[in-house]
Amino acid sequence: GDSVTQMEGPVTLSEEAFLTINCTYTATGYPSLFWYVQYPGEGLQLLLKATKADDKGSNKGFEATYRKETTSFHLEKGSVQVSDSAVYFCALSDNNQGGKLIFGQGTELSVKP
Amino acid sequence: DARVTQTPRHKVTEMGQEVTMRCQPILGHNTVFWYRQTMMQGLELLAYFRNRAPLDDSGMPKDRFSAEMPDATLATLKIQPSEPRDSAVYFCASGLEQNTEAFFGQGTRLTVV
Repeated sequence: GDSVTQMEGPVTLSEEAFLTINCTYTATGYPSLFWYVQYPGEGLQLLLKATKADDKGSNKGFEATYRKETTSFHLEKGSVQVSDSAVYFCALSDNNQGGKLIFGQGTELSVKP
Repeated sequence: DARVTQTPRHKVTEMGQEVTMRCQPILGHNTVFWYRQTMMQGLELLAYFRNRAPLDDSGMPKDRFSAEMPDATLATLKIQPSEPRDSAVYFCASGLEQNTEAFFGQGTRLTVV
């Protein structure tokens, strides 16, 4: 079945460092891909999305490009801030699976001043 | 400000008791998801509905869990009888159609003692 695999955390960075969180997926169809963020004690919030190959999603300085050839959707940010500390989830939604929304295991990011 | 509302936010109960969690999806959304989040298992999809009909509940332990949508404005998740291993945060999310983002509630933190 469909699945999402993320790099394990926690990831600890200094403020203004470059961030990459790897995400790869397995899907039978042509899924839409998402990155969600979860701050402590809260629900998940959509960070960005891409609905077809080569699309780039972006929001709040974060970017991710839908790479069909490598089945990847890596999250990047050029300069992280302390306020970016959170857990980041990669997810897919596959029409062949009735639009089921499947998440990776999450990657915790900690940014130090 | 449209949002998914979950009640209660916190619940502490004794083993063997029935637990009911409620979710009010965003008005007009036709897809509802139930997830369980634990440190060990991450985010697990328990069940999801479209137009109030269950599409997939394969992630849910059938002997003790049940999920329903009595009407378009209410989704419920029941556990009977509850067990300590059910302790987790339960999230409800709603969406408008296939392959678009889901909007999450703030979750119900369940503790079974």
